[in-house]
Amino acid sequence: KNQVEQSPQSLIILEGKNCTLQCNYTVSPFSNLRWYKQDTGRGPVSLTIMTFSENTKSNGRYTATLDADTKQSSLHITASQLSDSASYICAAMDSNYQLIWGAGTKLIIKP
Amino acid sequence: ETGVTQSPTHLIKTRGQQVTLRCSSQSGHNTVSWYQQALGQGPQFIFQYYREEENGRGNFPPRFSGLQFPNYSSELNVNALELDDSALYLCASSLATSGRRGEQFFGPGTRLTVL
Repeated sequence: KNQVEQSPQSLIILEGKNCTLQCNYTVSPFSNLRWYKQDTGRGPVSLTIMTFSENTKSNGRYTATLDADTKQSSLHITASQLSDSASYICAAMDSNYQLIWGAGTKLIIKP
Repeated sequence: ETGVTQSPTHLIKTRGQQVTLRCSSQSGHNTVSWYQQALGQGPQFIFQYYREEENGRGNFPPRFSGLQFPNYSSELNVNALELDDSALYLCASSLATSGRRGEQFFGPGTRLTVL
């Protein structure tokens, strides 16, 4: 069964600190892996899109990694800011162009 | 802002009623996908429309139906509402020619509450 699992469910860190969020997927056949940021009650906003041949992709203070062999991805946030407080969701796209989504990690940045 | 708009923003209905949600896609985008997102969960794919035809469907019953219009805007219709239909409904527009790497741009969502 195609599924995406994320950890931790929630995370609280102090402003200025770094953090890493994890995503494991069992989607086959696999096309690409996406990370999204979603503010409460809003639509998700794309952060990165990676195919199986890409190991790392950065978007400002966000860096995503992908290990297609172990089917794991991570999102690293550097020098966190209060505006980073949101849910971060990873999604894997299968060959039918369908996105399989994780439940997300709720990140809270405290001053 | 993504340029994708949805209406209404919030909606309250009772069990058994029918509802229509609307989505205007980003200019030039010919593909619209609809998702249901329950509280604390990730989005679940409902279906996708490309050039006015359904182009893929998730695990949702037939009482979830949709339309896409020649201007690529779209509607999601849900009949015989159930309490579990309470969720945030998201639409996302994309350009089919972008292939699998194409980004999906999400609207702000419609919050549906079924009482």
